[in-house]
Amino acid sequence: GQNIDQPTEMTATEGAIVQINCTYQTSGFNGLFWYQQHAGEAPTFLSYNVLDGLEEKGRFSSFLSRSKGYSYLLLKELQMKDSASYLCAVRPGGSNYQLIWGAGTKLIIKP
Amino acid sequence: NAGVTQTPKFRVLKTGQSMTLLCAQDMNHEYMYWYRQDPGMGLRLIHYSVGEGTTAKGEVPDGYNVSRLKKQNFLLGLESAAPSQTSVYFCASSLAGGAQETQYFGPGTRLLVL
Repeated sequence: GQNIDQPTEMTATEGAIVQINCTYQTSGFNGLFWYQQHAGEAPTFLSYNVLDGLEEKGRFSSFLSRSKGYSYLLLKELQMKDSASYLCAVRPGGSNYQLIWGAGTKLIIKP
Repeated sequence: NAGVTQTPKFRVLKTGQSMTLLCAQDMNHEYMYWYRQDPGMGLRLIHYSVGEGTTAKGEVPDGYNVSRLKKQNFLLGLESAAPSQTSVYFCASSLAGGAQETQYFGPGTRLLVL
């Protein structure tokens, strides 16, 4: 089967750094997405990785290791507004539309 | 641009009633999707469309029907609602199909079936 695993919930302190992990097992691989979803709102796109390595975008960075079936989202200088769920999604091989979604990691930021 | 919009935002149905959820996008996107989101689970694809006049089944299509008569609109129908269909429904669109095509989501419709 195809599945994505993420921690259910994480807590971090304002101003700190947090790493949210995602492991996946899919039929082939055509890229990995990270989305942010605030409570009661729509998911919004954060990043896309298809090659191994780190992609940096401001305070957010995303890392991919295809051989390990592993990705992480790194959030620096945490702000209260970063409290949200972070969804990992993988596009399996041979598909140009399908996404397999993880259940999301709820990140709680404390002052 | 409004992006992706959904109507209604919230609805309560009784078992056996029918309803239609409307999704509209003003980005001229070819692909449109309907997902449901349930606690503790990832988004699950119900139906999708790769262009005007086309629809296809996703992961969990049973109990739902869809239509894409106009490029900008994608309708999701529940013919006879069941409590198991209580969920948050998200519509999404993407410019086209492709490995790195980003999906853009609407604000969601919260449906409660009693």
